[in-house]
Amino acid sequence: EAGVAQSPRYKIIEKRQSVAFWCNPISGHATLYWYQQILGQGPKLLIQFQNNGVVDDSQLPKDRFSAERLKGVDSTLKIQPAKLEDSAVYLCASSLDARANTGELFFGEGSRLTVL
Amino acid sequence: AQSVTQLDSHVSVSEGTPVLLRCNYSSSYSPSLFWYVQHPNKGLQLLLKYTSAATLVKGINGFEAEFKKSETSFHLTKPSAHMSDAAEYFCVVSDWGNKLVFGAGTILRVKS
Repeated sequence: EAGVAQSPRYKIIEKRQSVAFWCNPISGHATLYWYQQILGQGPKLLIQFQNNGVVDDSQLPKDRFSAERLKGVDSTLKIQPAKLEDSAVYLCASSLDARANTGELFFGEGSRLTVL
Repeated sequence: AQSVTQLDSHVSVSEGTPVLLRCNYSSSYSPSLFWYVQHPNKGLQLLLKYTSAATLVKGINGFEAEFKKSETSFHLTKPSAHMSDAAEYFCVVSDWGNKLVFGAGTILRVKS
């Protein structure tokens, strides 16, 4: 079974530039998550989709971050303009259906962003 | 609000000796608790989970954890460490809807 795919794996940009990350979840998974993991910290949820609807985006900095999940499959996370503090690993995860609350998420390998 | 505190940022053990990674949680509800593992350049993987059934939970690769409500703890143990156990381990709490709150992580180093 193919896992969660993310790209690019690494990205270096200057502050005030924009960047986009792409995620392809496991086939059939209804719920998709984007997490931000800053060095030395645990992952923090940015946004959670159920199919193509947003369930929780309370911790997404909406003035600069946006995310979409068109057709309830792939998702894109965009940052514009980037700040130095956005340097982190952006993790995408998926699960069968969050309403089952199994806690079992399947994570991709992450996209590491460095903002200079 | 839910939270978890991992009491050690780094743990170092010798191969073949026991492993203990400590976690305390705070939750207003009857929580679900998990341990996830992250090997270098790999995605996070679920190690084990507690969801109000047996208080002693067994996971993959010989790991287990015990839920102690009176101590609000969910420590991770393994009787004998293997070199392949070297990784970062995250204690996680959730109340509903797969909304996971991660601890800061414990890096486990295994010496030969």
